[in-house]
Amino acid sequence: DAGVIQSPRHEVTEMGQEVTLRCKPISGHNSLFWYRQTMMRGLELLIYFNNNVPIDDSGMPEDRFSAKMPNASFSTLKIQPSEPRDSAVYFCASRGTTSSYEQYFGPGTRLTVT
Amino acid sequence: SQKIEQNSEALNIQEGKTATLTCNYTNYSPAYLQWYRQDPGRGPVFLLLIRENEKEKRKERLKVTFDTTLKQSLFHITASQPADSATYLCALVKDSSYKLIFGSGTRLLVRP
Repeated sequence: DAGVIQSPRHEVTEMGQEVTLRCKPISGHNSLFWYRQTMMRGLELLIYFNNNVPIDDSGMPEDRFSAKMPNASFSTLKIQPSEPRDSAVYFCASRGTTSSYEQYFGPGTRLTVT
Repeated sequence: SQKIEQNSEALNIQEGKTATLTCNYTNYSPAYLQWYRQDPGRGPVFLLLIRENEKEKRKERLKVTFDTTLKQSLFHITASQPADSATYLCALVKDSSYKLIFGSGTRLLVRP
């Protein structure tokens, strides 16, 4: 099993540009989560999907952030326009239907906005 | 307000000793509590889950306790090894919403 796949691993962009982060969850998992991690705020849940449907996006910082899950094997997190304060590591995680609620995290995308 | 607190200072111990990490929470009534390990440059990895009606859970050298009265979980690594050096995160599962609320993590350094 390849685990959760994220791309790109690193992204450097200029303020105002659009950024798209991609995630492929583990096959068969029906829940997908996007997190952001910074030194100041730790690991924060941005949005999660269940069976491709967004369930809770209360963690999305503002309208510049949007997420989609067009099918069970792909999700995107888009920031438009990007700002320096968006610099962070963005993780995608997926979860199956076991009772342990464990989430499987991808390697993350380190985003730097200059 | 709701809070999850882990020691922000790194824990530095000698190989072979038992490491004990603390997770305190306020204004939550979690159904479950999880512990994850995170290595630099990687995503968190699930270690253990403990339910609110369980006092203790073990897995190999790991032991987790959950005291809903004190609102605290303790995470123990016995016979610690340098390879155990990492950041350890606790996370609360509030309900069947699947949401995890993470603590800020405690960095463990095991000296050879």
